[in-house]
Amino acid sequence: DVKVTQSSRYLVKRTGEKVFLECVQDMDHENMFWYRQDPGLGLRLIYFSYDVKMKEKGDIPEGYSVSREKKERFSLILESASTNQTSMYLCASSWGTSASYNEQFFGPGTRLTVL
Amino acid sequence: AQSVAQPEDQVNVAEGNPLTVKCTYSVSGNPYLFWYVQYPNRGLQFLLKYITGDNLVKGSYGFEAEFNKSQTSFHLKKPSALVSDSALYFCAVRDMEGTYKYIFGTGTRLKVLA
Repeated sequence: DVKVTQSSRYLVKRTGEKVFLECVQDMDHENMFWYRQDPGLGLRLIYFSYDVKMKEKGDIPEGYSVSREKKERFSLILESASTNQTSMYLCASSWGTSASYNEQFFGPGTRLTVL
Repeated sequence: AQSVAQPEDQVNVAEGNPLTVKCTYSVSGNPYLFWYVQYPNRGLQFLLKYITGDNLVKGSYGFEAEFNKSQTSFHLKKPSALVSDSALYFCAVRDMEGTYKYIFGTGTRLKVLA
């Protein structure tokens, strides 16, 4: 079974803090993604990566950055957390090239609260 | 621009009755469509996908989806609903003509009543 793990299920941070969300997948997938999920808005793509050290901006990259130094790990960084970044963050991975039709495998999510 | 719409925020159905969760899409080329399910406090799980071929796609947990090109729809169906099917369902389309992103709908909450 493909396993995508996220470092925390719940996280509480203060405004202005730098926040790191870690995601690890164990199936040698080439592609990794970060989404945020908000009620009524569905999933919105923050950043994605089709290879090590490669990153592409998604639909809502402002206030976020990412790092992919190893194939299995994709980190999401909130440079200076703000209350409007309170959300559920979902990491996903998939195999194949960027143009493949393969489904994504999701982690359990991190519910981040910024006070 | 590619997009996907789920017109219903919530669908209620009695246990044992057939269920349908609706999805419509807009793409400029061939559509590559997916359904995912999210149980409470869990990540999304893949149910099924349409790439090409037969318009009726079968997936996990007894779900199936019907691709209709003329109506640009990809509705999720199940002949007999279970209470355990109660969850949040997402339709997604793959953008195959630009960034290859997955674009998700806003989700439909399915409630199966005993």
